[in-house]
Order: sequence, then C-alpha cells, then structure tokens
Amino acid sequence: ETGVTQTPRHLVMGMTNKKSLKCEQHLGHNAMYWYKQSAKKPLELMFVYSLEERVENNSVPSRFSPECPNSSHLFLHLHTLQPEDSALYLCASSQASGHTEAFFGQGTRLTVV
Amino acid sequence: QKEVEQDPGPLSVPEGAIVSLNCTYSNSAFQYFMWYRQYSRKGPELLMYTYSSGNKEDGRFTAQVDKSSKYISLFIRDSQPSDSATYLCAMGGSGTASKLTFGTGTRLQVTL
Repeated sequence: ETGVTQTPRHLVMGMTNKKSLKCEQHLGHNAMYWYKQSAKKPLELMFVYSLEERVENNSVPSRFSPECPNSSHLFLHLHTLQPEDSALYLCASSQASGHTEAFFGQGTRLTVV
Repeated sequence: QKEVEQDPGPLSVPEGAIVSLNCTYSNSAFQYFMWYRQYSRKGPELLMYTYSSGNKEDGRFTAQVDKSSKYISLFIRDSQPSDSATYLCAMGGSGTASKLTFGTGTRLQVTL
C-alpha cells in the first residue's frame, strides 16, 4: 500500500467516549500533520511532527492529544469532545516540516453526538 | 482581512469550457504555491506546485503566480465532468518554521 492511510474513515462518538484516529504514511517522509476541515472554513493546522518531535501545536484544546511513535505513524487521541468538534480530520505528510508538497490521507469523518 | 481569499463558488461550467480559479493573499513572505483537488468524501490531492512567480503547465492544467499582485490562478482547459470537485489553493513561506495556509476552496461543477 502506498501514500497516506487513515483509519477509521468514519467515527461517531459520544461526548464521554475516548477514541483514537490513526494515520500511517508509506512515503518515507519525515514530517506528519493533523488538520481539521470544517464546512466553509479553510483547513486548520492542528499539530506538526518532525522526526517524531512535536514542533507545532496551534492552540488546540487538550481534549485532542497527538502521538507520534515513529516517523511513519501518527495518532490523534480524542476524549470528552464537543459537538462542534465534528469535522473531517486529515492527516498529511511531507518530506520535511517546511510544509512543501504535503500529501493527504482520505480523512476521518468524525461526528460527536 | 484573511491571509488567503478564495471565492467558495459554486462555479458551474459546461463540459469543454475553460475554467479559471483564483486566490489572493496578503502575506508577501509566501513563496510556494499549490493547488489541491478534493473530491467529495476524499482527502485533498496535490494537483500543481509552483515556486515564486511564473507559469507551470501540466496537461490541461496551468498554474500562474503573480507575486507582485499577490494573485494566483489555476486554469483548466477542456473541462470534463471528472473535474467536478473542490479546488483548494495553499501557500507557504520558506524555512522549517513555515506552514501551509489554505483558502476555503472553490467548488466546481462541470456539466454535460
């Protein structure tokens, strides 16, 4: 398998649940990102990891917790989310954290009920 | 003022038409410019990548960057129904601290 793979593709969770989103890249890239995409809004960068080290956290609420165990895998742990957190969560990777030519996964459509 | 402005559309054109999609921006530090295509229920797919001002052509697609006007365009020639998607512009500066800034996306519908 090639490219950037995200699982699950769809997730419905209650506000008291804990769940995790998974991302895996097979491109040999050194940087990985989480983005949030909401209707009629630009993509919002949430977290940046470069060589497994978090280099950016864009004032994201603590109910979102990223984890990067190695340069190929990225997780987003979710707990006590709010309905307004419902969105498409996209993982991306690039050769370096300079963000040029980022390649995206298919996304996880999250619905918080 | 938003850092990147993009008309959300929707833009509806007949098959075979030339499509022009545009973004304006305010940050003069941007040097890398990208266009992504996003089909419904899919992630964005990198379509075109340009550095600094100038034109770049790839098949039916041409990307133009005018840094003096802070304006970028994507032209699609001989548009096809399969081109129906949302087109996102994205741009970034240089250096490891830079990050991509995206437009809101323009939804394009190519009709038969």
